[in-house]
Amino acid sequence: DTAVSQTPKYLVTQMGNDKSIKCEQNLGHDTMYWYKQDSKKFLKIMFSYNNKELIINETVPNRFSPKSPDKAHLNLHINSLELGDSAVYFCASSDRGQGLYGYTFGSGTRLTVV
Amino acid sequence: TQLLKQSPQFLSIQEGENLTVYCNSSSVFSSLQWYRQEPGEGPVLLVTVVTGGEVKKLKRLTFQFGDARKDSSLHITAAQPGDTGLYLCAGDKTGANNLFFGTGTRLTVIP
Repeated sequence: DTAVSQTPKYLVTQMGNDKSIKCEQNLGHDTMYWYKQDSKKFLKIMFSYNNKELIINETVPNRFSPKSPDKAHLNLHINSLELGDSAVYFCASSDRGQGLYGYTFGSGTRLTVV
Repeated sequence: TQLLKQSPQFLSIQEGENLTVYCNSSSVFSSLQWYRQEPGEGPVLLVTVVTGGEVKKLKRLTFQFGDARKDSSLHITAAQPGDTGLYLCAGDKTGANNLFFGTGTRLTVIP
């Protein structure tokens, strides 16, 4: 069983489109995250979310919105895609309530905007 | 703002050599973690260090957390081709809601 799974693995789309990336974790963790990895492999936090609050990185454009239907899922919706949105997006989870700060990552979604 | 700077950025060595990767910051972290990422995959947690001065060993890998909890190092003994990958340090700050990742070190071990 994959602990953190995200789909799709690859996403190629045109500028201006709206797309979603799905993420599910079966670890029972209380917190989920979305990170963006740029071409230089730097991982930057976009959102963190647990069942209490959503924390948004203020540098993330409001075209990006996380949606959590339940504790095990945190999907990423992107409106009006731009060329600069091309990157690899990672979902991760951790159990901060248990003081376990190690993250479990999904295998990433490579988004290419053309 | 990149709180954690890693050095070197790139490292290419022969199999059997030793190496050290550094992770430095001016900020204090409550814990620091090291991850390894392979192409097409997400980072995988290697170790978490919590106490200043702490040393942890994972087979041929030795991790150290600085006394002031601002820096860390990863030492690999007798590197093997399977050690090839992107090594990332990540710090957890008290009161923050997420990890801050370092700039990364791409290691290539040549057979």
